[in-house]
Amino acid sequence: DQQVKQNSPSLSVQEGRISILNCDYTNSMFDYFLWYKKYPAEGPTFLISISSIKDKNEDGRFTVFLNKSAKHLSLHIVPSQPGDSAVYFCAAAPYGQNFVFGPGTRLSVLP
Amino acid sequence: ETGVTQSPTHLIKTRGQQVTLRCSSQSGHNTVSWYQQALGQGPQFIFQYYREEENGRGNFPPRFSGLQFPNYSSELNVNALELDDSALYLCASSLEGAGTYEQYFGPGTRLTVT
Repeated sequence: DQQVKQNSPSLSVQEGRISILNCDYTNSMFDYFLWYKKYPAEGPTFLISISSIKDKNEDGRFTVFLNKSAKHLSLHIVPSQPGDSAVYFCAAAPYGQNFVFGPGTRLSVLP
Repeated sequence: ETGVTQSPTHLIKTRGQQVTLRCSSQSGHNTVSWYQQALGQGPQFIFQYYREEENGRGNFPPRFSGLQFPNYSSELNVNALELDDSALYLCASSLEGAGTYEQYFGPGTRLTVT
């Protein structure tokens, strides 16, 4: 029973275009959400976060949107760059508890 | 500032054996969490150590155990290895106890059980 779902195992985007990675969750107690990026042979790297009191958080080229009623969040990368090619994990947790990770989406940005 | 390191990088064990994986946390971090990442899945929380004590545990059997040392480095021990234990084992360090939202991950140890 996956509490955090990333239904697209992979995504290919042209350089310069927008990448949109989606994440759905089932636990209404989740109130903090993270995105991590993982390159091969490296550990996941924290990218951006959002708490349930917000519906948008932006950091440079990366924006996360949260729709609590739909239990859905998305990560937008604009413009996409070849160096963004990696596996992206969505993670969620109730306050003060440990994170549940989704299975990841492999993003390929084509030059 | 030294990042999170893990050893060994790769390991092959036989079913029924025991294994110890090691993690050195980032300088100044007092909390270490361990995760198991099976092929095609996201990291799954095993347990967390805060100031040398277990501070939360995921849905893993008791044959998964750990230690944290005074210098905040940590070990993950797995007894009676099973084929399904084959995975990438990640450790992550952070500054606080449970609830810290920014963890710094090591590169992982790839364990293969045959």
